[in-house]
Amino acid sequence: DGGITQSPKYLFRKEGQNVTLSCEQNLNHDAMYWYRQDPGQGLRLIYYSQIVNDFQKGDIAEGYSVSREKKESFPLTVTSAQKNPTAFYLCASTGGYEQYFGPGTRLTVT
Amino acid sequence: RKEVEQDPGPFNVPEGATVAFNCTYSNSASQSFFWYRQDCRKEPKLLMSVYSSGNEDGRFTAQLNRASQYISLLIRDSKLSDSATYLCVVTPNTGGFKTIFGAGTRLFVKA
Repeated sequence: DGGITQSPKYLFRKEGQNVTLSCEQNLNHDAMYWYRQDPGQGLRLIYYSQIVNDFQKGDIAEGYSVSREKKESFPLTVTSAQKNPTAFYLCASTGGYEQYFGPGTRLTVT
Repeated sequence: RKEVEQDPGPFNVPEGATVAFNCTYSNSASQSFFWYRQDCRKEPKLLMSVYSSGNEDGRFTAQLNRASQYISLLIRDSKLSDSATYLCVVTPNTGGFKTIFGAGTRLFVKA
C-alpha cells in the first residue's frame, strides 16, 4: 500500500538533546513537508522540499534542520536551539496540489 | 489579517442536523482549495476538493466564491462520526508548495 510513514509515534527527550524524526513515503511524490501542530492550533510549516537535495525554510524553521538525500525520505531534526519543541509533528507529501499526511509523531521534551 | 480564517467553533449539533462552515482567504490569486478532516490526535485527511462550480460527495457539499474569497462546507444529516475538526486549505498560484491551512472548525455531533 502506498503511503507516508512516520516513526516513532511517541518520542520523549530531555531538554538539550537533539532528536531526529523519520518520514518516509512510497507515493513517488517530489514535494515533502514538515508541519508542527500545537494543541488547539493550526498547522505551521517548518520546512519543505520540492526536489531531492533541495529544501526551503517555512514559517517557523528556527531550531530545526532537515535533509533530502533521497526522494522517499525527509527526516527532521529538532535541535536544542528550539525553545518549545513539545508538539505534534506531521510530515506530508504531494504529487499535485492536495497533500497527504503521515500519522504524526508526538514529541515531548522535559 | 490571517491568510485563511475559519470560525473556530465549536459547533454543537444534534444528529440529523445540517451544519455549514465558512472560510475566508486573503490571497485573491489562490489557485486550489480543499477541506480536510482531522480527528482528535490524528493526521488531517483530505475530505474534498472545492471547485468554482461546487461539488458534492454524499452528504457533503463544498462551494467556492472567488469574488468574495470564501469557501463553504455543508454537511447534511449529521452523523456522530462526523465529529471532528474541519480544516480549510488554500494553495496559492505558485503551486502546492506553500499550502496554507486554516486553524480549523471543531464540530461535535450529539445523539
